Amino acid sequence: EVQLVESGGGLVQPGGSLRLSCAASGFTFSNFAMSWVRQAPGKGLEWVSAVSGSGGSTYYADSVKGRFTISRDNSKNTLYLHMNSLRAEDTAVYFCAKSHFDFWDGLDLWGQGTVVTVSS
Amino acid sequence: QSALTQPASVSGSPGQSITISCTGTSSDVGGYNYVSWYQQHPGKAPKLMIYDVSIRPSGVSKRFSGSKSGNTASLTISGLQAEDEADYYCGSYTSSSTRVFGGGTKLTVL
Repeated sequence: EVQLVESGGGLVQPGGSLRLSCAASGFTFSNFAMSWVRQAPGKGLEWVSAVSGSGGSTYYADSVKGRFTISRDNSKNTLYLHMNSLRAEDTAVYFCAKSHFDFWDGLDLWGQGTVVTVSS
Repeated sequence: QSALTQPASVSGSPGQSITISCTGTSSDVGGYNYVSWYQQHPGKAPKLMIYDVSIRPSGVSKRFSGSKSGNTASLTISGLQAEDEADYYCGSYTSSSTRVFGGGTKLTVL
């Protein structure tokens, strides 16, 4: 089955760290760019970060640059998001999503999301 | 990178057609043919409805179509059905090598 399954969310204190994972199955993972997109409670979608199929190119929104790191392990068909210096405004559902092909293409497969709550 | 501008809400009756606009700048919507549209039902993950301005992914109804003129892209849904009631988001590639979404439009089927 073609799917993405996120994990790793939870409650973390401001200033803390968290690592999200996204396990992919049913397609050739290394052929496609991958993204993280978040949605704060009651708000719209916000693109967070993306990585090329090889992992050699990474892209970040200004709001997370320098704090978040995206990576992938193509041998494990897994995407990661390492989040440091977390702030209350990072509270959101985090979705991983697959590009139709390259980074700039539409996101044609989404996971169910994992909830990150930053609070003391 | 500022969010693309969408109307907060649109509505239509079953069978009618509606259009949702998505306005950006020459650095995003107007500069590239990489506009996409997503449908999101409450509590669910978004679903890709249109990519590259006007291409429908396999399995998406022909009732959904996309277009672009200048810095504004549009999503048109014809023959409205109850199950079309959802939030819709546009997205675009940008000149900064980032991706930006619109604020979202809530579609109500009357």
